[in-house]
Amino acid sequence: GENVEQHPSTLSVQEGDSAVIKCTYSDSASNYFPWYKQELGKRPQLIIDIRSNVGEKKDQRIAVTLNKTAKHFSLHITETQPEDSAVYFCAASGYSTLTFGKGTMLLVSP
Amino acid sequence: DAGVIQSPRHEVTEMGQEVTLRCKPISGHDYLFWYRQTMMRGLELLIYFNNNVPIDDSGMPEDRFSAKMPNASFSTLKIQPSEPRDSAVYFCASSFGDGGEAFFGQGTRLTVV
Repeated sequence: GENVEQHPSTLSVQEGDSAVIKCTYSDSASNYFPWYKQELGKRPQLIIDIRSNVGEKKDQRIAVTLNKTAKHFSLHITETQPEDSAVYFCAASGYSTLTFGKGTMLLVSP
Repeated sequence: DAGVIQSPRHEVTEMGQEVTLRCKPISGHDYLFWYRQTMMRGLELLIYFNNNVPIDDSGMPEDRFSAKMPNASFSTLKIQPSEPRDSAVYFCASSFGDGGEAFFGQGTRLTVV
């Protein structure tokens, strides 16, 4: 089955800095790569996703890149704000199910 | 739509007791997933259904765990008997179509003492 590795497990940045979270996956058949944000005590919520026919996608301060050859994808957050502090999960899906990475705890200090 | 609805939000039970978690997916969604979240193991897929039919239950940890989906608007996850190591947050999620966005419920925090 699919295996998703996510790094780093924790990331501390100063407000205004950029943050980058990286994931690798194992199943070359995977073609859907969403990113979820989970605030403390709340449910995971989709923030951005990318499909295998696209190399990069942007939504305001958030961008995701995908390299299918290398089987890795990354989340980029620019101009970080304290409210970006949360746990971020990457996931990969080839058919119907999502396999999640272990998560990255992002802490943005004012 | 109110989103995916789970109940109860919190459950504290004694070891050996039966626990039933409930989920109402978003109307019209044809996929339903049960996940378990712990600090050590992250988000693990336990089982998923397509059109009310269980497709893959390979993530169910033991025979103590069972899940049903009697109709398109209701699913249960049952643990019998419960053990302290089952303590976790259990999420239900639903999606429409193959590879569609998964919407999560608020989760049920289960504590087995």
